[in-house]
Amino acid sequence: DTGVSQNPRHKITKRGQNVTFRCDPISEHNRLYWYRQTLGQGPEFLTYFQNEAQLEKSRLLSDRFSAERPKGSFSTLEIQRTEQGDSAMYLCASSSARTVSNQPQHFGDGTRLSIL
Amino acid sequence: EDKVVQSPLSLVVHEGDTVTLNCSYEVTNFRSLLWYKQEKKAPTFLFMLTSSGIEKKSGRLSSILDKKELFSILNITATQTGDSAVYLCAVEAGDDKIIFGKGTRLHILP
Repeated sequence: DTGVSQNPRHKITKRGQNVTFRCDPISEHNRLYWYRQTLGQGPEFLTYFQNEAQLEKSRLLSDRFSAERPKGSFSTLEIQRTEQGDSAMYLCASSSARTVSNQPQHFGDGTRLSIL
Repeated sequence: EDKVVQSPLSLVVHEGDTVTLNCSYEVTNFRSLLWYKQEKKAPTFLFMLTSSGIEKKSGRLSSILDKKELFSILNITATQTGDSAVYLCAVEAGDDKIIFGKGTRLHILP
């Protein structure tokens, strides 16, 4: 399967712990996006990369959140000192165009985070 | 503030019915509008629309964009139980951000 891959699929942790998620995009895609989705809502943009450069960060991304894409391939999203409000599905998407108008994003299955 | 509004938020119909889902938007420097279907996991791509008045079709699904009135519709004819899902509308704005609506939850009764 050469789609977008996310790990882990589920993460349950206690409040205050740090968590890290990984996303492996489609191999030829140079753009990688992170979204957060809560129940009954559409995905909310968090940040995106073009190759290894982080080009945009949403104001939703507090200083407890950090994302990296060190070699322009896979990406990690880390949440420090998790809070109950961080419970959500974290979706990763990738695309290959210079602007997404040329090609749509392809999504991974997401990592579901539950904070106890 | 950029926004995408979908209606209705939920819809229940019988198998075989035709449904129309609506998406209106207000964004800076519109680039494209996208429709996705989301079942239990990842949203899957349906359509990308950039030009007004040109219908895109895929089987029983079709969609059209009106850039003057700032809306799009997604039609599904002869609905089947497998069409039950959340249908997401998203708009790409000039700053490369994608703004999603809340989605329409469609349930098809057998």
